[in-house]
Order: sequence, then C-alpha cells, then structure tokens
Amino acid sequence: GAVVSQHPSWVICKSGTSVKIECRSLDFQATTMFWYRQFPKQSLMLMATSNEGSKATYEQGVEKDKFLINHASLTLSTLTVTSAHPEDSSFYICSAATGGASGNQPQHFGDGTRLSIL
Amino acid sequence: DQQVKQNSPSLSVQEGRISILNCDYTNSMFDYFLWYKKYPAEGPTFLISISSIKDKNEDGRFTVFLNKSAKHLSLHIVPSQPGDSAVYFCAALNTGTASKLTFGTGTRLQVTL
Repeated sequence: GAVVSQHPSWVICKSGTSVKIECRSLDFQATTMFWYRQFPKQSLMLMATSNEGSKATYEQGVEKDKFLINHASLTLSTLTVTSAHPEDSSFYICSAATGGASGNQPQHFGDGTRLSIL
Repeated sequence: DQQVKQNSPSLSVQEGRISILNCDYTNSMFDYFLWYKKYPAEGPTFLISISSIKDKNEDGRFTVFLNKSAKHLSLHIVPSQPGDSAVYFCAALNTGTASKLTFGTGTRLQVTL
C-alpha cells in the first residue's frame, strides 16, 4: 500500500517553457503533499507544502510565481515550473501523507521527475 | 544551515558484515527521526523511524539507535546484503509543527561480495 505515482519521470524542454509535474496518491487519500528538489549529491530540499483545498506554503527562498502548486483533490497535486530556465534543471520529488505527515505516518515518495532545461 | 548532517558521504561494507550509518542533528526541537533508502532515479523509500522517547527501534535487519544527549542517531544493518547498496538519508521532524521533514545529505552504502 501507500503508493505515490509521479509523472512524468523525465522531461527535456526548451528554455521558457512551462512544465507541469503530477503527483498522485494511488491507494490512499493524501491530506498533505510535499514537493522537494534535489541537486546532484545534495540533500532533498523542501520547496513547499500543500494541503488539499488550500494554498501551498512555500519555504523561504522559493518563488511562488515560479513554482505553482495546486492540490485540487485528496489524490492529486501538481507542480508547474513556469517559464523554466536552465538553472531550474533538477530532480523534483513529491511525497504524500495523511494527516499532516506526523511521525507515525511517514511520507511516501514518488519516484521523482528529472527536469532538464536546454 | 544544515540541521541534519550525515558526515560520511560513502561507506563500503562486505556482505554479511554490519553496516553502520551515522547522522547528527542540531535542532533540539526535533522529536521524530526517520531513515529512508534511495536508489538512483527513484524516490526515497521509508525504512524505519524512532521517536525521541525511545533510544532503540528494531525491524528485522534494521535497527536505529538514538542518543538524544549527543543529538546523534545511527542505522545498523546486519547482516548487510548486496541489495542494501543505495543512498541512505536520515530525516528529522518536529511533530508539533507543520511536520516538515529535514533531510541529511545522504550516505552512499556499497555492499560488496
């Protein structure tokens, strides 16, 4: 159980393009979804936290207008990288949890999306 | 400011021996700790966790030890198997807040035959 599906797994696109990444919880309802970014050989850095039906909470230094997050249902959250540039190239990973991801309910991660902007 | 640190970027262990992965944290508000395993191009997979009210939690071949006074935790894998080769992240959170996970930088474990 607790499967999180992330799509697409790899995106290559031109600079200036907007890219949408989907994160779905397949067999449970995710009250909270998290979006992370990982640079090579570095830790996963939390970008934003989204709760179903409300606005996402962004971490310091993350541009809200650049990284649009929508959590329209209990099973789907999307991250849209708007007007992507080469510096946005990274590995983006989502995770999902019920009830706000307390210690007793670990976050379940998708397989990530590798975004390459040319 | 790296609040969760894994000072060993890599570790090589022979099959059948014990693997010990270490993690240190600085934020005394963290009260729950988790270990994740990650293969390349995949998301992390939850392994084991421990609450700050405990000092040890065991699940099969995996045991996590927590030393609160030293702000240190470790993951023991015994016996190590080739399939354990992956990057291991420790993560911490304060269950009283928005439950944001703070990850360490990871340790790449290589289990050799």
